[in-house]
Amino acid sequence: DGGITQSPKYLFRKEGQNVTLSCEQNLNHDAMYWYRQDPGQGLRLIYYSQIVNDFQKGDIAEGYSVSREKKESFPLTVTSAQKNPTAFYLCASSIASGNTIYFGEGSWLTVV
Amino acid sequence: AQTVTQSQPEMSVQEAETVTLSCTYDTSESDYYLFWYKQPPSRQMILVIRQEAYKQQNATENRFSVNFQKAAKSFSLKISDSQLGDAAMYFCARIQGAQKLVFGQGTRLTINP
Repeated sequence: DGGITQSPKYLFRKEGQNVTLSCEQNLNHDAMYWYRQDPGQGLRLIYYSQIVNDFQKGDIAEGYSVSREKKESFPLTVTSAQKNPTAFYLCASSIASGNTIYFGEGSWLTVV
Repeated sequence: AQTVTQSQPEMSVQEAETVTLSCTYDTSESDYYLFWYKQPPSRQMILVIRQEAYKQQNATENRFSVNFQKAAKSFSLKISDSQLGDAAMYFCARIQGAQKLVFGQGTRLTINP
């Protein structure tokens, strides 16, 4: 089936650890995005990529890093510099910037 | 900052009735896209409907339709014949700068049987 796959669904991080959230899409979309959602809130953009080997910071990029080595993949690393990482993370993609954005099922990250 | 505002944190409707969710936005662009997304308890964001600002005709998808008032910068969602499966958080969103989807704070919709 075509779609966006995020893994893991649930992830626990200890203080001071880096963790990586995986996002893979087989829709042949050029653009990919990472959003963060806090309880009772809308989504905020962390990073986005319009093409392989290129990405830009969103509104809340501090403490996060990404890579885009393949068109299909856009992993997000939550570093120890992110002071409040507990949240729901959504990966998304679109044919091109400005077109409809489709979302994966999300990943829950909890700091323990 | 260019924002999207949903003034109704919660709404409820009887099953089979019609409900309208409100959304206003701010923009300096003449051409843009507007969306309504649904987020059920599973938390996955599901596209409900999309409106292109240069089109005067309101978008419709089965029981879902919008009332797009460009001059007023208003983009409301009407759900007809409400069903129990429509219960969810609904987010209004706008593409900003051809790159970023800007979301409202959401409206929690409850369907009463």
